Amino acid sequence: QVQLVESGGGVVLPGRSLRLSCAASGFTFSYYAIHWVRQAPGKGLEWVAAISYDGSGKSYADSVKGRFTISRDNSKNTLYLQMNSLRPEDTALYHCAKDIHLFGEVMDYWGQGTLVTVSS
Amino acid sequence: DIQMTQSPSSLSASVGDKVTITCRASQGINISLAWYQQKSGKAPKSLIYDSSTLQSGVPSKFSGSGSGTDFTLTVSSLQPEDFAIYYCQQYDSYPLTFGGGTKVEIK
Repeated sequence: QVQLVESGGGVVLPGRSLRLSCAASGFTFSYYAIHWVRQAPGKGLEWVAAISYDGSGKSYADSVKGRFTISRDNSKNTLYLQMNSLRPEDTALYHCAKDIHLFGEVMDYWGQGTLVTVSS
Repeated sequence: DIQMTQSPSSLSASVGDKVTITCRASQGINISLAWYQQKSGKAPKSLIYDSSTLQSGVPSKFSGSGSGTDFTLTVSSLQPEDFAIYYCQQYDSYPLTFGGGTKVEIK
């Protein structure tokens, strides 16, 4: 069965960096786009970034553009999110989500998420 | 960016009720719309994409319709396991955007 397991979250000071990982299993990782979607405490879903099946295409929300970088290692079935210059408003549960296509559009499976708290 | 507006933001319903949730896009998105269900403390679950196509394994009591700017999600006979928050999401253009969510509560 499809499994997505996020890791790397924690408490970090504003302005610092953090790298999230998402380990995938149960499907051919290199065939699908993958997304990061976050959810601030008690709030709705916010799409953060997406990467195409081969890593050649990447898209970002305006709120993270220039600070976050999405990447993937298909040999390790792993997705990453490098988060720099973190702000308190980046505090959220970060989910990775598998797409149904090669390029990012629709998410069909989601991980449980890893919590990022940005606070001094 | 395309704004997605859901209504109502919350509703109370009884087991067996038919429930309809509306999602409106700020500009036309053809049928590039998905619906997700999120139960408390859980990851979202995909229900529908392309406005009306059920994801594999999703029961037929869920249905979606619409195109352009106006879309609906209908649950034909609400069961206890259906009480959750429902989100719409457009994928006509980047950035991908979600609606604010509709919380379906037990009356």
